[in-house]
Amino acid sequence: EAGVVQSPRYKIIEKKQPVAFWCNPISGHNTLYWYRQNLGQGPELLIRYENEEAVDDSQLPKDRFSAERLKGVDSTLKIQPAELGDSAVYLCASRPRTSGEAGDTQYFGPGTRLTVL
Amino acid sequence: GEDVEQSLFLSVREGDSSVINCTYTDSSSTYLYWYKQEPGAGLQLLTYIFSNMDMKQDQRLTVLLNKKDKHLSLRIADTQTGDSAIYFCAESPPPYTGRRALTFGSGTRLQVQP
Repeated sequence: EAGVVQSPRYKIIEKKQPVAFWCNPISGHNTLYWYRQNLGQGPELLIRYENEEAVDDSQLPKDRFSAERLKGVDSTLKIQPAELGDSAVYLCASRPRTSGEAGDTQYFGPGTRLTVL
Repeated sequence: GEDVEQSLFLSVREGDSSVINCTYTDSSSTYLYWYKQEPGAGLQLLTYIFSNMDMKQDQRLTVLLNKKDKHLSLRIADTQTGDSAIYFCAESPPPYTGRRALTFGSGTRLQVQP
């Protein structure tokens, strides 16, 4: 079974430029998450999708961040314009519909490391 | 609100046991998780425990949960150099809250010396 796929793996941009990250979750996983991981910290939720609906985006800085998951499968996270403080690793995770014994177990992609100069 | 705390660093010798500790504040957490992150990689699920359990063993890994003290630990037996990584503790809220995201600690860096 393929894992969560993310691209690009690395991105370096200058401040005020736009940037986009792409995620393809594990097949059949209807819940998709975007997390941000700052250096030396654990991941923090940005947005959660149930199918194509964003059900928790309270931590997403909506003035510059946007996300979409149009067909309920892959997702794109965009930052426009990027700021120096946006430098971080952006992680995508997915979870299957039924919790079962594994509870809320989430499966993470390798992340996109963003550096804003 | 939820808060998960971990010690920052642990150093052990190869072959010894490692114990990584975690404390959390949300007593209604349903599941608690341990994830491993190697340099430049995403988070890899190691193991999890349901909140009504005290202990779970999975090969070299033993998870202990003290729900009264809100304390979780991960013991790695016969630690190997390949176990060197950052280990994250995470908790999930109960389903009735509607919140389905994990709350992570800041991670414990495990260094295994040969």
